[in-house]
Amino acid sequence: QKEVEQDPGPLSVPEGAIVSLNCTYSNSAFQYFMWYRQYSRKGPELLMYTYSSGNKEDGRFTAQVDKSSKYISLFIRDSQPSDSATYLCASMDSSYKLIFGSGTRLLVRP
Amino acid sequence: GAVVSQHPSRVICKSGTSVKIECRSLDFQATTMFWYRQFPKKSLMLMATSNEGSKATYEQGVEKDKFLINHASLTLSTLTVTSAHPEDSSFYICSARRWASGRIRTDTQYFGPGTRLTVL
Repeated sequence: QKEVEQDPGPLSVPEGAIVSLNCTYSNSAFQYFMWYRQYSRKGPELLMYTYSSGNKEDGRFTAQVDKSSKYISLFIRDSQPSDSATYLCASMDSSYKLIFGSGTRLLVRP
Repeated sequence: GAVVSQHPSRVICKSGTSVKIECRSLDFQATTMFWYRQFPKKSLMLMATSNEGSKATYEQGVEKDKFLINHASLTLSTLTVTSAHPEDSSFYICSARRWASGRIRTDTQYFGPGTRLTVL
């Protein structure tokens, strides 16, 4: 079992839709969780990070962690074609290494 | 956000040659940098952890003599692919660890734009 599991998609939505991206993790010791966005042939860009359980909001993006179910979510409101990218969830282990999910490809159709 | 650069962005080389890739943190000091490899439509695979002033720590299955890492300063780490072969063709991405400060409560990693290596 991978430590961080993520549905690879692709996920296709119309412009303006609410997007929900999800990951699960297996290591209960993970405390920090990140979401990265990666455009084709570019390096990942840090979108948000959360600590422990709870929600964090930044503009159109909301990150959510439920430690009881080991579930990580990223919600994108009013999605735009420019949001089309691969979204990577990641957990940080005690040695500060990032354990990535496989990434979900998102396509927002105009 | 923090800025990390990589150079070159793209390189094509002949089989048997060596290629050096540079990773720089432009606006912060990074005692730790990471090197990843990414295959098409796949996630990032951690190759090694680069620590300033000490030897790199390689992940299982990564040949340290094949992928030489040097972290000579707080803003620069280099990855040298020695005697490159076509199977080394890939997208190589570095990241720099930035310590928690101010509003940022945890160490975070900022990624470079990546280097696409093609070995003929």
